[in-house]
Amino acid sequence: DTAVSQTPKYLVTQMGNDKSIKCEQNLGHDTMYWYKQDSKKFLKIMFSYNNKELIINETVPNRFSPKSPDKAHLNLHINSLELGDSAVYFCASSQGRAASQPQHFGDGTRLSIL
Amino acid sequence: TQLLEQSPQFLSIQEGENLTVYCNSSSVFSSLQWYRQEPGEGPVLLVTVVTGGEVKKLKRLTFQFGDARKDSSLHITAAQPGDTGLYLCAGARGTASKLTFGTGTRLQVTL
Repeated sequence: DTAVSQTPKYLVTQMGNDKSIKCEQNLGHDTMYWYKQDSKKFLKIMFSYNNKELIINETVPNRFSPKSPDKAHLNLHINSLELGDSAVYFCASSQGRAASQPQHFGDGTRLSIL
Repeated sequence: TQLLEQSPQFLSIQEGENLTVYCNSSSVFSSLQWYRQEPGEGPVLLVTVVTGGEVKKLKRLTFQFGDARKDSSLHITAAQPGDTGLYLCAGARGTASKLTFGTGTRLQVTL
């Protein structure tokens, strides 16, 4: 039943490791997003894909690489994790590329770097 | 520099009180959304406003988009504990695909 589901919900790992977060939506939307929410609860866009095409790529370190195998999935791989990567990462989806469209968010992946 | 500043940052009130949250910018937005986020969950859309001066009501919540489309407000009447959460405004500019989120207002309503 979950519209936008992310796995894992919690991720605790050491500095320097590589990790992936997966996201799937069953809403039939064609656009998916990755956001980062910091400790002050500020939510910032990282990437967006529309029909598997990258349309938003904010100033994010090259260590972050999104991949969209199909329009229902958007994964995020992070190489060489750093302390500053600790945050909650949210996946979202919408229908259409326009930012005015309602976005549906997953419940987030809390990443903690030791 | 944050494009969308929300005030207040924190608000703790008792059940039954009224409150207003503000979302301000020096930029013009083509549309503005309000989301509520509860602990451990993602933001959930409450409303979208698109016309300057527009007012929308959702039960006890009243949303207004400024005439110049640079600001918005959320007014809650007779707040209830279930209103507790993080309120986020988010603006879209032109036909851009990017949504810019505000700095957030954390509301706590106690009995």
